[in-house]
Amino acid sequence: EVQLVESGGGLVQPGGSLRLSCAASGFTFDSYWMAWVRQPPGKGLEWLANLRSDSNEVYYLDSVRGRFFISRDNAKNSLYLQMSTLRAEDTAVYYCARLPWLHNAFAFDLWGQGTMVTVSS
Amino acid sequence: DIQMTQSPSSLSASVGDRVTITCRASQTMGFYLNWYQQKPGKAPKLLIYAASTLQSGVPSRFSGYGSGTDFTLTISNLQPDDFATYFCHQSHSAPYTFGRGTKLEI
Repeated sequence: EVQLVESGGGLVQPGGSLRLSCAASGFTFDSYWMAWVRQPPGKGLEWLANLRSDSNEVYYLDSVRGRFFISRDNAKNSLYLQMSTLRAEDTAVYYCARLPWLHNAFAFDLWGQGTMVTVSS
Repeated sequence: DIQMTQSPSSLSASVGDRVTITCRASQTMGFYLNWYQQKPGKAPKLLIYAASTLQSGVPSRFSGYGSGTDFTLTISNLQPDDFATYFCHQSHSAPYTFGRGTKLEI
């Protein structure tokens, strides 16, 4: 089955760190760009970062650049998001998503179920 | 950064209706516009990419149109399963941005 499964979310104190993982299965993981997108409770979607299939090209949202680090291990079919210096406003459901090039456009065509990160003391 | 202005923020409709949701970009972006459907507690689902191409498995009552700065998502013959929140998304340039969403309610 083609799927993405996130893990690693939880409760963390402000200023703390957390590492999210995303396990991919059912497709050739190392052929795709991958991304992280988050959604604060009751709010809209916010793109965080993209990473190319070979890890040689990466893009970040300005507000997380320097605090969040996206990486991947193609041998393990896994995507990661290392988050540090967490703030209350980072509280959200975090999704990993596949980002293929479809008819001359990138689009998120496969999403995980999401993992909840709560930043609170 | 490209800002996406999506309207309306909410919409009431009935089964069988035809509805249109609009997204306007703050700068021209060709056809780099995608639409997603999200139901409560679930991940978003890709409906349309590159402004007008229907994702595999998505019913043909969904259609997308537009280019440049103005885009629309139209749902014809609304079905009970279509009541959800819809988001537009630009993939022209980083930071990729989403519209604020349109909640489609009965």
